[in-house]
Amino acid sequence: GENVGLHLPTLSVQEGDNSIINCAYSNSASDYFIWYKQESGKGPQFIIDIRSNMDKRQGQRVTVLLNKTVKHLSLQIAATQPGDSAVYFCAETSKSGSARQLTFGSGTQLTVLP
Amino acid sequence: DSGVTQTPKHLITATGQRVTLRCSPRSGDLSVYWYQQSLDQGLQFLIQYYNGEERAKGNILERFSAQQFPDLHSELNLSSLELGDSALYFCASSVAGQGGEKLFFGSGTQLSVL
Repeated sequence: GENVGLHLPTLSVQEGDNSIINCAYSNSASDYFIWYKQESGKGPQFIIDIRSNMDKRQGQRVTVLLNKTVKHLSLQIAATQPGDSAVYFCAETSKSGSARQLTFGSGTQLTVLP
Repeated sequence: DSGVTQTPKHLITATGQRVTLRCSPRSGDLSVYWYQQSLDQGLQFLIQYYNGEERAKGNILERFSAQQFPDLHSELNLSSLELGDSALYFCASSVAGQGGEKLFFGSGTQLSVL
């Protein structure tokens, strides 16, 4: 399949600052995107999703931006807290024949500094 | 808590052995997915079942098999285990399994092959 990848493997931010995690995808047919958070020893946890007919979606302290022109996705976390420390994955789906599968990027480790 | 239950949480076994991992999806979800997560491969899709039938296959080895039972729980069978099979195995579930929908993940089974 085509690649879904992250620009940076690690990101460190000060508590209270905003975090931006980036993701590039190469499949122009991708039409649904999800951000997951994975804490140590736990399974991926859904954060927020966005469909390709939107370019921005907001949740509680999180915003996802989608730029289809350059095939770029970002997750913005406002007022980052220690509990936000985790690995963040972007994932995308596109239709391939009759199947639609979720493909994950390699993940970014976010560390929140006190 | 995602509502997806996986057992056991940890499994230690020897090369050549066979193990079974179990997953109970969220109430109401008809589709179950299995993913493998290793340090060098990230989250890799193995196989998907929908309402008892196989819907999609990913990078699943021939030594691995899965099934979904009438009560919708699923089992992943790993046989002739090799050292390289050591990984976290996640089960996820979704309502319809058509793609374009969020997946809810269990806490995973950590498999160690010695």
